[in-house]
Parts: sequence; structure tokens; C-alpha cells
Amino acid sequence: QLQLQESGPGLVKPSETLSLTCIVSGGSIISSGYYWDWIRQPPGKGLEWIGGIYYSGTSYYNPSLEGRVTITVDTSRNQFSLKVNSVTAADTAVYYCARDHPISVGGAVRANWFDPWGQGTLVSVSS
Amino acid sequence: EIVLTQSPATLSLSPGERATLSCRASQSVSSYLGWYQLKLGQAPRLLIYDASNRATGIPARFSGSGSGTDFTLTISSLEPEDFAVYYCQYRSIFGPGTKVDIK
Repeated sequence: QLQLQESGPGLVKPSETLSLTCIVSGGSIISSGYYWDWIRQPPGKGLEWIGGIYYSGTSYYNPSLEGRVTITVDTSRNQFSLKVNSVTAADTAVYYCARDHPISVGGAVRANWFDPWGQGTLVSVSS
Repeated sequence: EIVLTQSPATLSLSPGERATLSCRASQSVSSYLGWYQLKLGQAPRLLIYDASNRATGIPARFSGSGSGTDFTLTISSLEPEDFAVYYCQYRSIFGPGTKVDIK
């Protein structure tokens, strides 16, 4: 059974870089057709899709975060990672990783549905 | 950009009752709609994909219907573990959620 587990610091200072890793177990990240995504939920708010990556390194991002976010993949360790630069209090959230079952739309790949998810990890941005 | 709205914001019901949750899209999303269950401290769970297909391991009391702009998630008889927040989703967009709590 495929499982995902997020790891990383729970506290980051403003203006610094948030870094998280998602370890995939019970299956290979080199799985044809799947992307590997990050989604977050600020306290008391809804879900926000951050972006995703294919095992080959092809990635896509939420336009509202593009430029501040980088997702990378390490197939040798069966994991993928998220970096968010120049964080502010608005980046405080529970961060989830998930497997994305994407869809092709007009030749472009788009996120479609997410299963399974990790349990999530709370990252607070505070000095 | 497509916007998803969910109603009601909160649904107060008793175990054994039927829950009907609504999700409306600002323009047609065909049948590309998913439903998720979120509980504090747990991994979110995909319930329904492509509007009406139950995900692996999801009990039959959960069902989804609709197409175009109007969708419904129905829980036929609420179990104690079903009290949670439910989100609809189209591609990278999520609705604001419906909280199902105990009456």
C-alpha cells in the first residue's frame, strides 16, 4: 500500500526558506503517469494546491506561488521536496504531499485528483 | 478561473441520518470533480473521483452525482467516523468545504 510521509522543520523565520521532504513508501516514485504534488491548508482556511513534479523532473506550479516555490525529485531516495522562498506569516499552514493522477488538456498536463495523501505537517512562520 | 462553492457551510446531523452536500462550479467542469474528507491529524482521503466513482476502499454509503456545474455528495447513513470536513475539487481548485458535525 502506497504511503507518503512529510518531514521538515516545524518553525521557519520570516524571509527564510521553508524546506520539506515527502518520503514515498510501498511503491516507486518512478510510476508512469503520476505526478507528485504539494498542497497546503492555512489555519482556519481552505486547501491550496502548490504544485507537482513528474519523476523525470517536469514540474508545474500554482501561478500565484510560481517564482517563490521549487519542487524537486530524488528518484534514488524515492522522495520529492518542496522549497518556498522568502516566507511570511501567510505561509503558515499544514503542508501535505499527495500523488496526483493528472489529466492531459490540449497537450498540457493538469492536476486532476489526489490519492493518497500524507498526514501533513504544520509549518509555522514566526521570529 | 473556475470557482467552486459549497453548501451548506455546516451541516448538523445525527448518526444514522442522511447527509447531502452540494458543490457548484462557476462554469462547466464536465464530470471532472472529486470529493475529499479531512479530519484533524489524519491524512485527507479521496472519496469520489470523476463525480461519481468511489475511490478504492471507500464504503458504499458514500456516493457522488452530478455533471456540468452542479454536484452532490451523499452519505446515506452517517457513521460516527463520518463527522468531518468535506471538500470538492476540480483540477487544482478546491471548494471552501462543508463541515458535517454532530447535532
